[in-house]
Amino acid sequence: DVVMTQSPLSLPVTLGQPASISCRSSQSLLHSDGNTYLSWFQQRPGQSPRRLIYNVSNRDSGVPDRFSGTGSGTDFTLKISRVEAEDVGLYYCMQGTYWPPWTFGPGTQVEIK
Amino acid sequence: QVQLVESGGGVVQPGRSLRLSCAASGFTFRNHAMHWVRQAPGKGLEWVAVISYDDVHKNYADSVRGRFTISRDTSKDTLYLEMNTLRRDDTAVYYCARDHYYGSVNSGPDYWGQGTLVTVSS
Repeated sequence: DVVMTQSPLSLPVTLGQPASISCRSSQSLLHSDGNTYLSWFQQRPGQSPRRLIYNVSNRDSGVPDRFSGTGSGTDFTLKISRVEAEDVGLYYCMQGTYWPPWTFGPGTQVEIK
Repeated sequence: QVQLVESGGGVVQPGRSLRLSCAASGFTFRNHAMHWVRQAPGKGLEWVAVISYDDVHKNYADSVRGRFTISRDTSKDTLYLEMNTLRRDDTAVYYCARDHYYGSVNSGPDYWGQGTLVTVSS
């Protein structure tokens, strides 16, 4: 199975400042079809997960443009350009290239300083 | 808009069974593979099972294979998870999620339901 790791696991941030979360996979997520199936999810307190980014860098409909995804191969990053109060929550990366199983990172807790 | 509404959770004793349901609306259910994903209290997300759009293929996490069965009823736009021989470590919120079929790949969950809590306890 592909193992996903994230860092940091806890990220205190100041409102209006940028934030960055790293995600690494145990093997390259480049699929034979040329796509890289790496997604990012946000889980606000008490809510279900919501997908923010798919295929490394594609924002889902309705996702603010302060969220962006980059990366390739085994190294990926989710960036929030200016953190807002509503961004507090857990963030997970997930790979969909080698399945089953689809595997998630352990999650990064974003909180306001 | 896509809506997924889970039901059927509750408190159940170890070794017993439970069936979860997920009512889908806002999209063409028969065109999408569907997943179950769970989250133990205070823990991360764990993929549980998937069923293909045409009900032909099913896959399970090692932790539930042989005990859980995923199924679907296209006439009712409903996804199910039959859980047998439940263990304490099956305690979790269970989410159903639609699969994002991209190109020719089941790339994983996109839309998620609100979840239903299953507590396995004596």
